[in-house]
Amino acid sequence: EVQLVESGGGLVQPGGSLRLSCAASELTVSANYMTWVRQAPGKGLEWVSVIYSGGSTYYADSVKGRFTISRHNSKNTLYLQMNSLRAEDTAVYYCARGIDDGGGYLYYIDYWGQGTLVTVSS
Amino acid sequence: SYELTQPPSVSVSPGQTASIPCSGDKLEDKYTCWYQQKPGQSPVLVIYQDFKRPSGIPERFSGSNSGNTATLTISGTQAVDEGDYYCQAWDSNYVVFGGGTKLTVL
Repeated sequence: EVQLVESGGGLVQPGGSLRLSCAASELTVSANYMTWVRQAPGKGLEWVSVIYSGGSTYYADSVKGRFTISRHNSKNTLYLQMNSLRAEDTAVYYCARGIDDGGGYLYYIDYWGQGTLVTVSS
Repeated sequence: SYELTQPPSVSVSPGQTASIPCSGDKLEDKYTCWYQQKPGQSPVLVIYQDFKRPSGIPERFSGSNSGNTATLTISGTQAVDEGDYYCQAWDSNYVVFGGGTKLTVL
């Protein structure tokens, strides 16, 4: 059974940094379309970033230049490095696997982690 | 940037049909999928590629996509179907979610 387990969330001051991890089992991170989606308290889903199986990365405008998505192949783990954090980055961050056409066109997301809460506050 | 618009809320009586629209420019040219999310839980895929149902999703869930609107339809709605529903499409390397619709069964 595929499992995605996020970790690394917590309380951080504005301007600070955090690195989220997503450990995968029964799924090879490097061979899949892997994405981060966040959800602010009481709000809807917001896409954050993606890394394609080929290694290309893309970011939502709201995090571009501050967040970096990466993966560690031997650890089979996805990461999200978050710098210059703002209050509006407060959210539950989900790691997820997408099914695409092989070229990055996402059809749908079929597996989601349980999420990790990031709170940016002084 | 591409946008998807959903009504904030939809109400339906038990046993009736609920329809949740999702609108976007020329949406019929894109694949749309739908997720259900219950409080405190991760989203669950209920419809993909406009009308396909994943294994384990009840037959009462169906989808369509025409013109500028994709629609999630739940026939014979049950209390267990209450939750938030999000449509999602893809546009030029960006994943786009609708704002979500809260379905109330009353």
